[in-house]
Amino acid sequence: QKEVEQDPGPLSVPEGAIVSLNCTYSNSAFQYFMWYRQYSRKGPELLMYTYSSGNKEDGRFTAQVDKSSKYISLFIRDSQPSDSATYLCAMSAQGGADGLTFGKGTHLIIQP
Amino acid sequence: DTGVSQNPRHKITKRGQNVTFRCDPISEHNRLYWYRQTLGQGPEFLTYFQNEAQLEKSRLLSDRFSAERPKGSFSTLEIQRTEQGDSAMYLCASSLHAVVNTEAFFGQGTRLTVV
Repeated sequence: QKEVEQDPGPLSVPEGAIVSLNCTYSNSAFQYFMWYRQYSRKGPELLMYTYSSGNKEDGRFTAQVDKSSKYISLFIRDSQPSDSATYLCAMSAQGGADGLTFGKGTHLIIQP
Repeated sequence: DTGVSQNPRHKITKRGQNVTFRCDPISEHNRLYWYRQTLGQGPEFLTYFQNEAQLEKSRLLSDRFSAERPKGSFSTLEIQRTEQGDSAMYLCASSLHAVVNTEAFFGQGTRLTVV
């Protein structure tokens, strides 16, 4: 079992839909949880950075962390074609990017 | 300062040649990280620096790989005697580490193709 599991998709939804992206993990030491968006042949772009359990909202994006279930989610409201990208979850025990463990990424397609 | 800068963006090299990549982090960031990403996978950690000190190296970083950050600012990653398996996107990231770590920001990467 990999430390971080993420469904690679592709996930295809119509424009305007609510998108739910998820990751599960096995390492209970993880305390920091991140979501990155990556367009084709580009570097990952940080979307959300959260510490421990709870919710965090930023515009159309909401991140949820449930440490008891070892499960994290990213919700995208009012999805747009420009949201089409690969979404990577990442997590670490100490923050920053040392020991950052990524999922494989979910390829999201928003249909106009 | 608009973010983490990596050069070159693309590099094609013949097997057996040496290559060197450069990363310029966000100016106030004291931590710098190197990651490698292959197609269809998430990035994998290679090594990181705090200022000029290399604090951790992954077992993925074979003897043919060496990284430096001589003055605690930019960093270079050199691969000697390249192999086809080295073909990947090499990503650099930086963050500020004080009492706690802040979030890390990635550059656009250097895509290496070994032919």
